[in-house]
Formats: sequence, structure tokens, C-alpha cells
Amino acid sequence: DGGITQSPKYLFRKEGQNVTLSCEQNLNHDAMYWYRQDPGQGLRLIYYSQIVNDFQKGDIAEGYSVSREKKESFPLTVTSAQKNPTAFYLCASRGGGLAENNEQFFGPGTRLTVL
Amino acid sequence: GENVEQHPSTLSVQEGDSAVIKCTYSDSASNYFPWYKQELGKRPQLIIDIRSNVGEKKDQRIAVTLNKTAKHFSLHITETQPEDSAVYFCAASQPFTGRRALTFGSGTRLQVQP
Repeated sequence: DGGITQSPKYLFRKEGQNVTLSCEQNLNHDAMYWYRQDPGQGLRLIYYSQIVNDFQKGDIAEGYSVSREKKESFPLTVTSAQKNPTAFYLCASRGGGLAENNEQFFGPGTRLTVL
Repeated sequence: GENVEQHPSTLSVQEGDSAVIKCTYSDSASNYFPWYKQELGKRPQLIIDIRSNVGEKKDQRIAVTLNKTAKHFSLHITETQPEDSAVYFCAASQPFTGRRALTFGSGTRLQVQP
């Protein structure tokens, strides 16, 4: 399955609650990404990290936070500031050097629902 | 930033027919164009990709063409089968920018009628 795992598969959040989505990869990839997918739409970039201890905002970062303390792990926290968090969240990683564009491998996704 | 538009949003074909999905991109610096297939509730899977130094690439029943001048690229599926039914996404990526993340089109739902 591409060496990227996400947990949990399904997550339910109450309003006002922070939740953290896990993403782990054993592909030795430097770059990792978080995307959000809404029904019938494409994927939108939330945050990305090109290297350990560094991460940058994507196109829809408001209400989300990340960390990259280890190469293998890139957890995403959905905070209470995210007003419409119900969506399918996909983590991805990419190998190769900084000057290359290579395939991004996706994890199986986490479906988050706000109750 | 990059903007990728994808058409059509839905496509229904008879088994055995061909299907064509088209995408346009805005950033002339983009040089990597993958196509992903996503089945319901599952992760996107890469089916074919093309780089800007070639105009066409084939893999069995799947082909992708790229027109850099017009900034558009297309996915061609021949001899469609029911298992080709899924949502297909095009994407574009630029070199040497900070993120090298993919910008996705909005997707095409392909339904192959048996």
C-alpha cells in the first residue's frame, strides 16, 4: 500500500474540540503533504513539509496545524478554529531531490465528521 | 499560483469505447503532469504521468498527451472496461518552487456502461 499509513480511518469530532490525524511513512521520503478533499471536488493543499523540522502553509491552512519532528511522521491537528472540518483528509509523501518532480504517494485517508 | 481546470466533470461511455479527459493549466513553469484514479472512498492512485520534455506517453490502454504551447494535457483511455469507472484527477507541479506540491483539477467521474 505504498508505505504510507493514516489513522484513524474514521474520526468524529464534537464542535470546539481539537483532533489530530496521524500520517506515517516508511519510504524514506523527505517531502510530506496534507490535502483536504470535499465531496465531488479535487484535493486542496493544507500544509507541506520538504524536510524535517520545517513546514509551510498551503492554500487552506487556516484552522489547521502540523509538526514534523521526525522524517517518518507528519501529524495534522484540526483545531476548533476550522469552522467546516468535515472532509476526507489525505496525506502524501514524495521522494527525490529538491530539484525534482516525482510521484506523490497517498495514504488511505481519514474521514473526519463533525457531530 | 497554478490553476488547473478539468473537463468534463462527468463522462459516460459504453464499454469498449474511448474516453478523453482534458485539463488546462495556467503556470507555464509547470513541468510534471500526473493523472490519478480514485475509487470511491479510497486513495488516489497514479495511473500515468508526463513531463514537459515529451509530448505523449502510452501505457497499454492509457495515453497522455501534452501541448506546452497551449498549456493543456489530456488523458485517453481506449477499449474502456467497467473497472475503469472511477474519478480521474489531473494535476500539475512546478520545479524549483518552494512546495512542489500538486495542484489538482476538480475531477472527472467516468462511468463505463457494460
